[in-house]
Amino acid sequence: EAGVAQSPRYKIIEKRQSVAFWCNPISGHATLYWYQQILGQGPKLLIQFQNNGVVDDSQLPKDRFSAERLKGVDSTLKIQPAKLEDSAVYLCASKQQAMNTEAFFGQGTRLTVV
Amino acid sequence: AQRVTQPEKLLSVFKGAPVELKCNYSYSGSPELFWYVQYSRQRLQLLLRHISRESIKGFTADLNKGETSFHLKKPFAQEEDSAMYYCALTGGTSYGKLTFGQGTILTVHP
Repeated sequence: EAGVAQSPRYKIIEKRQSVAFWCNPISGHATLYWYQQILGQGPKLLIQFQNNGVVDDSQLPKDRFSAERLKGVDSTLKIQPAKLEDSAVYLCASKQQAMNTEAFFGQGTRLTVV
Repeated sequence: AQRVTQPEKLLSVFKGAPVELKCNYSYSGSPELFWYVQYSRQRLQLLLRHISRESIKGFTADLNKGETSFHLKKPFAQEEDSAMYYCALTGGTSYGKLTFGQGTILTVHP
């Protein structure tokens, strides 16, 4: 089966600019996650969707980050405006349903804010 | 709050030597524990989970609730085991959400 697809793979922007990341989960996977992985740290959950609804966004910096999954399939994560500390790899993961505990990860988008 | 600690950022062994990657967790309840692996230039993928009690690529991990540990072990390391390893847990009301440790870079020398 095709894996989780993410684009772009790399992005370099200046601080205060905006950026958007896209994720296409594995077909049929109802649960979708966005993780932020800062260099030297493990992935940290930003937001979890179940179909097109948000289940957990408690760690999403809502003043600058937003995410949507309008049709319950693809998802976008946006940062506006970006800060230097947002430099990280943004990982998208999906699973068939929340109770099915194997999550499949995409390759990630490496963001560098200069 | 749930937390996962991997005390070693780097671990180096020689081929054929035993290897143990340490993982300790903090969780008030019964968590589910996982090991994820990321090989060079590849995506993060599940290696094993404690409920399966299986051996994958020669690796095993036993959940020790008394010591709140879930160490990953392999009796004879291979060069292809060189990778980044993450311990993770889920459970309770955040079921499905993974909390990761900081990761351990394993290097197996020939």
